[in-house]
Amino acid sequence: SQTIHQWPATLVQPVGSPLSLECTVEGTSNPNLYWYRQAAGRGLQLLFYSVGIGQISSEVPQNLSASRPQDRQFILSSKKLLLSDSGFYLCAWSVSPGQLGETQYFGPGTRLLVL
Amino acid sequence: AQSVSQHNHHVILSEAASLELGCNYSYGGTVNLFWYVQYPGQHLQLLLKYFSGDPLVKGIKGFEAEFIKSKFSFNLRKPSVQWSDTAEYFCAVRGDGGGFKTIFGAGTRLFVKA
Repeated sequence: SQTIHQWPATLVQPVGSPLSLECTVEGTSNPNLYWYRQAAGRGLQLLFYSVGIGQISSEVPQNLSASRPQDRQFILSSKKLLLSDSGFYLCAWSVSPGQLGETQYFGPGTRLLVL
Repeated sequence: AQSVSQHNHHVILSEAASLELGCNYSYGGTVNLFWYVQYPGQHLQLLLKYFSGDPLVKGIKGFEAEFIKSKFSFNLRKPSVQWSDTAEYFCAVRGDGGGFKTIFGAGTRLFVKA
């Protein structure tokens, strides 16, 4: 069966420091991968998605970037964190890329606090 | 553009009460509809989904949702809630013109009193 891992689970970082959040998926090949930010009372905001190695699409302009160095690995990064980057970051995977009938499955999330 | 509206941000019920969480979306084409649930300290997980066919969809843990196309709605129901249903519930929609984007509602926090 498929599983999705995220780490770290919790992270406290100073403003201006770099960031690297990792997401890996097991038990499937060539998944779509997604990064979301979940803000209280505002649902999930799609940040990035990827349909394959090295293929990244950004949904919103921001201080963050994403990379997919391997088929089942998705990394969320920042060179210099801002206070506004604090939040709960969720990684998700799916198959049936870009088509109706696609279901996304979510990881446990990383809670980031920027001080 | 697609959007999803969840009517209630917070709902408090007593055990055995009936539940209905509202969800409306705006999109004129073909849609897939989802309800996800996030229990305290757990992953966001799929509760049920509608792709096509019978508009009344049954999910896990006794939940069901009805797709009413004319009303652009996909309300979640459960006839008798339990304390363990305390969680946050998210409605989501994916349209045939939306590319890779699934749009999520803001969520409804349900608290069930024992």
